[in-house]
Amino acid sequence: NAGVTQTPKFRILKIGQSMTLQCTQDMNHNYMYWYRQDPGMGLKLIYYSVGAGITDKGEVPNGYNVSRSTTEDFPLRLELAAPSQTSVYFCASSFRADRPQHFGDGTRLSIL
Amino acid sequence: AQSVAQPEDQVNVAEGNPLTVKCTYSVSGNPYLFWYVQYPNRGLQFLLKYITGDNLVKGSYGFEAEFNKSQTSFHLKKPSALVSDSALYFCAVRASNRDDKIIFGKGTRLHILP
Repeated sequence: NAGVTQTPKFRILKIGQSMTLQCTQDMNHNYMYWYRQDPGMGLKLIYYSVGAGITDKGEVPNGYNVSRSTTEDFPLRLELAAPSQTSVYFCASSFRADRPQHFGDGTRLSIL
Repeated sequence: AQSVAQPEDQVNVAEGNPLTVKCTYSVSGNPYLFWYVQYPNRGLQFLLKYITGDNLVKGSYGFEAEFNKSQTSFHLKKPSALVSDSALYFCAVRASNRDDKIIFGKGTRLHILP
């Protein structure tokens, strides 16, 4: 009964470091999304994917990259971490765009 | 531009009273509308959705929402609030029939006072 699993739950990075936030889902969903949540700002879409091999930019893609080699996995890559990327990152998946999204519990990332 | 607005940052309601959390939207075409709830240190959880059909939609935990096309609103309601309803609530809209993105509002923090 895993649903959407995100790792790690917490991470502190130094400016300029890189890392990959992992996201995997076991519901065979086609659609997967990455959001960032900043206080009072709601959720901003970073990237999304409608199926393996297909990705597209959201509202705030700069500084991030994604890949979707399998249906299950949708990792988010930060290449050169900047303080502005301090945030809580959520991965979500859904069967179709008009179906509810299932969210992971988030990764809390601090860039110092 | 397509958008969703939650005009209230915070709503305070006494336990047992009815509650309303407001949402208005602006999209091209017919909207797909959603409400989600977020508890501390957790991801968002789906409450209910409107795609088509009856304007009054019933969802989880006794919540319901009313779609009003003329006012472009989709307010979340509950007849009798519980302290456990205290959380952050998000309204979301799918931008168009051919757009796979969901746009979220900024969220409304609901405080239910004992």
